[in-house]
Amino acid sequence: DIQMTQSPSSLSASLGDRVTITCRASQDIGNYLTWFQQKPGKSPRRMIYGATNLAAGVPSRFSGSRSGSDYSLTISSLESEDVADYHCLQSIQYPHTFGAGTKLELK
Amino acid sequence: EVQLVESGGGLVQPGRSMKLSCAASGFTFSNYGMAWVRQAPTKGLEWVATISYDGSSTYYRDSVKGRFTISRDNAKSTLYLQMNSLRSEDTATYYCTRGAGGSWGQGVMVTVSS
Repeated sequence: DIQMTQSPSSLSASLGDRVTITCRASQDIGNYLTWFQQKPGKSPRRMIYGATNLAAGVPSRFSGSRSGSDYSLTISSLESEDVADYHCLQSIQYPHTFGAGTKLELK
Repeated sequence: EVQLVESGGGLVQPGRSMKLSCAASGFTFSNYGMAWVRQAPTKGLEWVATISYDGSSTYYRDSVKGRFTISRDNAKSTLYLQMNSLRSEDTATYYCTRGAGGSWGQGVMVTVSS
């Protein structure tokens, strides 16, 4: 199975900060990497697909990038509404596997 | 607007069965693969099963293989998850998703406990 190692597990940042969350894949997953945002008590929402593509309706302060087997989600300027859990998912191979998640909080 | 509405959850005893449904609307259901993803309380997301657009191919995580069956009725735009021999570790919120997470339902809670 492909392991997705997500870091950090939690992150505290201030409004306006640049925030980066990373997932490292244990095998080649190409660009089959999706980022999700999940607010408390809510369903996940797709933010980035294909590693770098912004999903419909997602603010442009969110971006996705890839460097080798490392995939990153970046928020260029943190806003209060961005406080949430973030998850990555590889979907190139079954079983599909998620990262363990990152809890993003305001400092 | 894409809508996915799960139903069928609740409390069930270990070893018993339960069937979840997911009613889809707002898109051509028969064109999309569909999946179930679950989330145990205070835990991360876990992929459970996927079915191809026409139902000809199915995929499962090892821990549910032989116990869970994913199926679909394209005429009714509905996805199903038949869960047999339920265990306490199956306790979770179950989400129906379009493709690999393009859209999500609101989730349905399944609690396996005596």
